[in-house]
Amino acid sequence: GAVVSQHPSWVICKSGTSVKIECRSLDFQATTMFWYRQFPKQSLMLMATSNEGSKATYEQGVEKDKFLINHASLTLSTLTVTSAHPEDSSFYICSANQGGHSNEQFFGPGTRLTVL
Amino acid sequence: GQSLEQPSEVTAVEGAIVQINCTYQTSGFYGLSWYQQHDGGAPTFLSYNALDGLEETGRFSSFLSRSDSYGYLLLQELQMKDSASYFCSAAFGGATNKLIFGTGTLLAVQP
Repeated sequence: GAVVSQHPSWVICKSGTSVKIECRSLDFQATTMFWYRQFPKQSLMLMATSNEGSKATYEQGVEKDKFLINHASLTLSTLTVTSAHPEDSSFYICSANQGGHSNEQFFGPGTRLTVL
Repeated sequence: GQSLEQPSEVTAVEGAIVQINCTYQTSGFYGLSWYQQHDGGAPTFLSYNALDGLEETGRFSSFLSRSDSYGYLLLQELQMKDSASYFCSAAFGGATNKLIFGTGTLLAVQP
């Protein structure tokens, strides 16, 4: 199956700093990637759809100026959490679809963000 | 809004059969997908129903009834390694191709 990687796997930062998380499709090209946030013992909440070469589409209630998404190539999308605060501490997961008729999404291993 | 509801926890014993239900209030989706997630890990794809009826994939089967706004995942011959969280998700194909996840069910398999 297709492989999606994320970097870093975990990060600890101070309140007020910005953190960048990378999501890469390793063996396929992805025109669309997705970013999710997951709090402990809760479901995955879709934050935004990352579109290669164009602006991301954010879900209702997600601040686009807080969570900056850049999808500069067919294999890389980045999520930057700007001016992070303790309430932003969460598990951030990206996914990608191979396209065509396949509905299956392939998920990265996730990034655990802790804001002190 | 879109919502997919699941039981929060289910417990079963090894070798048994368990059904995880998913009732939804959403529209315009192409099909219902199921994902498994072990604690701290990435979700992995299990099954997809584009049409009403039963889809079988090894020990896992999934069912969809659009008229009843209902689906379920059936796990047979349970193994300890099946202990995980299971999520139904509405798959919106076409231009968006996004997934909206259900509330999730934590399955505990006991010896």
